[in-house]
Amino acid sequence: QVQLQESGPGLVKPSGTLSLTCSVSGASNYWWGWVRQPPGKGLEWIGDIHYNGGTNYNPSLKSRVTISRDDSENQVSLKLMSATAADTAVYFCVTSPGWYKINFWGQGMLVSVYS
Amino acid sequence: QSALTQPPSASGSPGQSVTISCSGTSSDVGGSNYVSWYQQHPGKPPKLLISEVNQRPSGVPNRFSGSKSGNTASLTVSGLQAEDEADYYCSSGTATNTYVFGTGTKLTVL
Repeated sequence: QVQLQESGPGLVKPSGTLSLTCSVSGASNYWWGWVRQPPGKGLEWIGDIHYNGGTNYNPSLKSRVTISRDDSENQVSLKLMSATAADTAVYFCVTSPGWYKINFWGQGMLVSVYS
Repeated sequence: QSALTQPPSASGSPGQSVTISCSGTSSDVGGSNYVSWYQQHPGKPPKLLISEVNQRPSGVPNRFSGSKSGNTASLTVSGLQAEDEADYYCSSGTATNTYVFGTGTKLTVL
């Protein structure tokens, strides 16, 4: 059974780094990734990391984003630098055994960027 | 990359069918077999309804079906039920190994 649980600070100061971690169980050979959803708005794919360490990022965020995975700890991390109010969103940890589809979602975590 | 285009809203009465469109380009929807659809109820994470254009994961009712023609994908919900009222998002793999979502459609069951 696949389970995903996001954790990290719920508040980030402008220009700071948004950092989240997701504990993953039951999906060790899957790709792991992140999707976000600003309050009242649509979904935005942030990026993913495959079991071989390869990454793909949303071009609009690529210069500020790093996704990494620790298979020994079964965790995937997200770092988003130079945060602004526009980065305020619910951040979902996601995974799937297949390409370009998301079978499993975490419950999501609201991160607010404000001073 | 630009979000795929969906109508902001759609509606239908119980028992009716409704179709939601998802318009992209030849670099995403038109050039990909990896078109998916998600259903999201308020305060919940999205749920995968359709993958690879028209494949239903286990447990998804066959009232939900997907198709694609050219650069436009479609989700059809047949036999509308009250619990189908939700937001629906399409998505697609792209030619540059990225992933893009649609703008979302709010489905109202009248």
